[in-house]
Amino acid sequence: GAGVSQSPSNKVTEKGKDVELRCDPISGHTALYWYRQSLGQGLEFLIYFQGNSAPDKSGLPSDRFSAERTGGSVSTLTIQRTQQEDSAVYLCASSPGPGPQHFGDGTRLSIL
Amino acid sequence: AQSVTQLGSHVSVSEGALVLLRCNYSSSVPPYLFWYVQYPNQGLQLLLKYTTGATLVKGINGFEAEFKKSETSFHLTKPSAHMSDAAEYFCAGLNQAGTALIFGKGTTLSVSS
Repeated sequence: GAGVSQSPSNKVTEKGKDVELRCDPISGHTALYWYRQSLGQGLEFLIYFQGNSAPDKSGLPSDRFSAERTGGSVSTLTIQRTQQEDSAVYLCASSPGPGPQHFGDGTRLSIL
Repeated sequence: AQSVTQLGSHVSVSEGALVLLRCNYSSSVPPYLFWYVQYPNQGLQLLLKYTTGATLVKGINGFEAEFKKSETSFHLTKPSAHMSDAAEYFCAGLNQAGTALIFGKGTTLSVSS
C-alpha cells in the first residue's frame, strides 16, 4: 500500500521567508511525528500527534516552528521567518499506535 | 537523561565479512528498541524491533540484533555483508512518554569488494 508521502521533496527559499511542509501519513495511522535531520544534530524529534489529543510540541526548537494536523490525517509543518540554521531534511513518520514508525522520504530544505 | 549511543560513526567491511554495528542505550530508555537503515536521499526503513519476548530478534535483509539488558546494548549483526548493505544505520529507542524516538548519531557502513 501507499507509504508516508511528503511534499515538496526539495525546497529552496530565502532567509526570512515562511515555508510549509506537508505530510500525508499512511491511511489509518493515528500517530504522526515530525523529525529534523541535520549534519550537526543528527535526528531530532520535533512534534507528535496522536488522534484528537493535544500534540506533544516539546521538540520544537523555537516559536517560529508550528504544526497542525487536520482531520486526523494530513499534517503541515510551518517555519516562519526562516534562518540558515533551519536548513535540514524534515522527516515525517506515522504509526498505527505505539511502536515502529514508518517514515517518508523527507523534504530537503535549503535556506539561502 | 535518555540517550542512545552508537559506537563508531563509520564501519568498513569486505563483502562476505561479518557486520557488527554497536548500540548502547541509557537505562532510563524503555526497552523498546529499533534499528533503521537509510539509503541516500531516502527516508528511514525499519530493519528490526525489540519490544518484549525473545531477546534475539531477526529483521529484514538477514540482519539480527540481540537485546542485552545487563549490558544495555542492542548491537546489530549480519553474518555476511553484501554490497547493497552500504548505507547509514540508526539505532533508536522510544522515549519514556512513548511519543518519540530517540536516535543515535548513526553509523555509515561501507562494503568493499
